[in-house]
Amino acid sequence: DTGVSQDPRHKITKRGQNVTFRCDPISEHNRLYWYRQTLGQGPEFLTYFQNEAQLEKSRLLSDRFSAERPKGSFSTLEIQRTEQGDSAMYLCASSLGNTDTQYFGPGTRLTVL
Amino acid sequence: GDSVTQMEGPVTLSEEAFLTINCTYTATGYPSLFWYVQYPGEGLQLLLKATKADDKGSNKGFEATYRKETTSFHLEKGSVQVSDSAVYFCALSDRRNTGGFKTIFGAGTRLFVKA
Repeated sequence: DTGVSQDPRHKITKRGQNVTFRCDPISEHNRLYWYRQTLGQGPEFLTYFQNEAQLEKSRLLSDRFSAERPKGSFSTLEIQRTEQGDSAMYLCASSLGNTDTQYFGPGTRLTVL
Repeated sequence: GDSVTQMEGPVTLSEEAFLTINCTYTATGYPSLFWYVQYPGEGLQLLLKATKADDKGSNKGFEATYRKETTSFHLEKGSVQVSDSAVYFCALSDRRNTGGFKTIFGAGTRLFVKA
């Protein structure tokens, strides 16, 4: 069990550029979640997948954001035309079966200049 | 909707002092309750969990009891160490109609422990 991994750990980009983050969940975990954490706040839910199906998206997820989990294993989160307000830590979590306990990765810190 | 409120930080204690971080919640159902810890530069780690009223979660000397009557889940430790310095998040699970769970977090409480 290698835990949830995320890549990259840090990303600095200029406003208007597109960025993509990757999350590898714990092996065999069927559910995968994305959260966003801004400075001084707790994480906020963005979206989640059960296997390859994206089952829910938060209102926080504007149409510039898209997430995929094409084979039910790793997931990607893409932000198009980044804005300074997108600067945050993006966290991925996974869970197994029907449990409510989620295991978090180290996060990707995005800075938009 | 469901929500979590926890005491504001920072909390500064001397080593071996007693720790309490207050957490209250609002929920329509019967969620599981969690404490997560975030060390500097790292992701969230699950510290402890309780799934129903009067359950006590415990780990690494930390404990918290699920109190339905007061809708609280306060975190306690009898003797803190410098290595406990971190941000602590209280959270609850919100079961979704689609079958998964959304974890709802409090704003976090930063703890500093001085030697």
